[in-house]
Amino acid sequence: GAGVSQTPSNKVTEKGKYVELRCDPISGHTALYWYRQSLGQGPEFLIYFQGTGAADDSGLPNDRFFAVRPEGSVSTLKIQRTERGDSAVYLCASSLQVRGGASYEQFFGPGTRLTVL
Amino acid sequence: AQTVTQSQPEMSVQEAETVTLSCTYDTSESDYYLFWYKQPPSRQMILVIRQEAYKQQNATENRFSVNFQKAAKSFSLKISDSQLGDAAMYFCASIKAAGNKLTFGGGTRVLVKP
Repeated sequence: GAGVSQTPSNKVTEKGKYVELRCDPISGHTALYWYRQSLGQGPEFLIYFQGTGAADDSGLPNDRFFAVRPEGSVSTLKIQRTERGDSAVYLCASSLQVRGGASYEQFFGPGTRLTVL
Repeated sequence: AQTVTQSQPEMSVQEAETVTLSCTYDTSESDYYLFWYKQPPSRQMILVIRQEAYKQQNATENRFSVNFQKAAKSFSLKISDSQLGDAAMYFCASIKAAGNKLTFGGGTRVLVKP
């Protein structure tokens, strides 16, 4: 079946502009995650959705970052007033519902490389 | 909070040989999971192997195996019979049981020489 898809693959924008990054999870996966991977580093958690609601947004760096998942499937990460420091690969992952003591495997998309000039 | 440390920025191995990647972690959780992910140039993170902390037996997946030392909080990955397709970045990661956020190390680049 289809894996996690992300669009666009690459996005170049100018400082101060607004960008939207899209994630299409695996069908049936209720949990969705966003991570940010800066150059030469491991991914860092941004936000987690269970269904339509953001269950944990503790990783969002500031209020310029916002994410939505209105119908419990596709998610959009929105960045306002972009800064050069926002340049990174933004990874999306999805999984079956986390429950009990089991942390289900997170399946990752190919990421969106954001470059802020 | 959980932390994961990978002390080897890069490792080189001859094709068909064995290479071991190091990972140490710190957590206050009693139940957690550990993972090794592979990230090729395509950027897509691929799960290589997973270990439940409550299991004493080391996980194995074909040519990939781990050495899980719970008391030492160490979780190394051994790649046996290395192949050219194994060349990639490898990330060690942890998550608490029923948790939602993976914590990643800084990664180790594996180079495979023909």
